[in-house]
Amino acid sequence: SYELTQPPAVSVSPGQTATITCSGHKLEEKFVTWYRQKSGQSPVLVLYHDALRPSGIPDRFSGSKSENSATLFIDEIEDLDEADYFCQAWGGSADGAFGTGTTVTVL
Amino acid sequence: QLQLRESGPGLLKPSETLSLTCSVANYSISSCCYWGWIRQPPGKGLEWIGSIYRGGATFYTPSLKSRVVISSDTSKNEISLHLTSVTAADTAKYYCTRSILDESSGYSHWGQGIVVTVSS
Repeated sequence: SYELTQPPAVSVSPGQTATITCSGHKLEEKFVTWYRQKSGQSPVLVLYHDALRPSGIPDRFSGSKSENSATLFIDEIEDLDEADYFCQAWGGSADGAFGTGTTVTVL
Repeated sequence: QLQLRESGPGLLKPSETLSLTCSVANYSISSCCYWGWIRQPPGKGLEWIGSIYRGGATFYTPSLKSRVVISSDTSKNEISLHLTSVTAADTAKYYCTRSILDESSGYSHWGQGIVVTVSS
């Protein structure tokens, strides 16, 4: 099965940029989506097709991708951004695989 | 506004079959998109189970493919999940979801989820 690896935790000071990575074999060839899940809530889609934002998601959220990794950036981070973040990949054998998840803490 | 609501038993015994229903309001399941099931064991990450496209073609994650069936009832506007031979490892919160358009665009709509516990 296809594996996507994320750092377990990222801590950022308010107003700074959080950088969350998602690593997977030949991820460049796949589509990546990102979800935010606050405690006790259902996940929310924050990016799709690597870097596109659904309606309602602020432009503080952006994404990039390279050969074997994808990155979610959260600019000007706020307390309300504290959550778990999951990547998901689509394409080939990766279909539907989720990353291990990253807990973002705002210091 | 699209609403998704999961329903089904909250407690099962090992070897039983899990059957969940997702009732969809304010949107026809046959008009668009992929309707998926995703689960999350307690304190753990997300796992994509599978999906059904516009109430028709189905797709499953390889690790569960032998035990899972996703189906639809367009007359009731419902999506169903059936998972056979459950074990404690199937204990999780199960979410019903809908994609933006194609599946690679991700799931923009999620139900509240339903907690399923497998225990003897």
